[in-house]
Amino acid sequence: QKEVEQDPGPLSVPEGAIVSLNCTYSNSAFQYFMWYRQYSRKGPELLMYTYSSGNKEDGRFTAQVDKSSKYISLFIRDSQPSDSATYLCASCNNAGNMLTFGGGTRLMVKP
Amino acid sequence: EPEVTQTPSHQVTQMGQEVILRCVPISNHLYFYWYRQILGQKVEFLVSFYNNEISEKSEIFDDQFSVERPDGSNFTLKIRSTKLEDSAMYFCASSRVDSTDTQYFGPGTRLTVL
Repeated sequence: QKEVEQDPGPLSVPEGAIVSLNCTYSNSAFQYFMWYRQYSRKGPELLMYTYSSGNKEDGRFTAQVDKSSKYISLFIRDSQPSDSATYLCASCNNAGNMLTFGGGTRLMVKP
Repeated sequence: EPEVTQTPSHQVTQMGQEVILRCVPISNHLYFYWYRQILGQKVEFLVSFYNNEISEKSEIFDDQFSVERPDGSNFTLKIRSTKLEDSAMYFCASSRVDSTDTQYFGPGTRLTVL
């Protein structure tokens, strides 16, 4: 069952652009939503963590969750070449025993 | 800043051999996890561990796999008889509470089964 889906990309943008990354999910029980950044051959690094619907902002990053449409977004403002990585969305339910990941979107920010 | 560490960074083994992957979770964390990522595929949950027992496991985590917390700091994943399809990156993660809390991932162990 494909519970969390992402467009694999690659998404290529110029430096300074606003980036929009998106996920959809199918499991209505998911309540917690995360965005991880993964550089090549490294472990996932947590960027954003949200509970239920709404927005959360942290510096250049904004996470949005719309539970009515089962849609998760990550916006990156003023994108930098160092933002070039694969971005993974992940979700879990209230039982909290496991994360379900999307396949990741590869982002390339060109100087 | 505390971090999850994993050893070795790369393990090469022959099919049918046993391997043990090691992790040191963040010291005040109580929940521990193993995930794997086959090259080009999703990060997949294998198992979660709390209070010295498995709290949840996926279909991937069959009888060939086992986990152990042999002492107060290490958390291990053992694969008893490796198969070619076990070749993947294996990530250890830990969280202070359950996975509704932030999970911190280690750098991974690349397992290559020949």
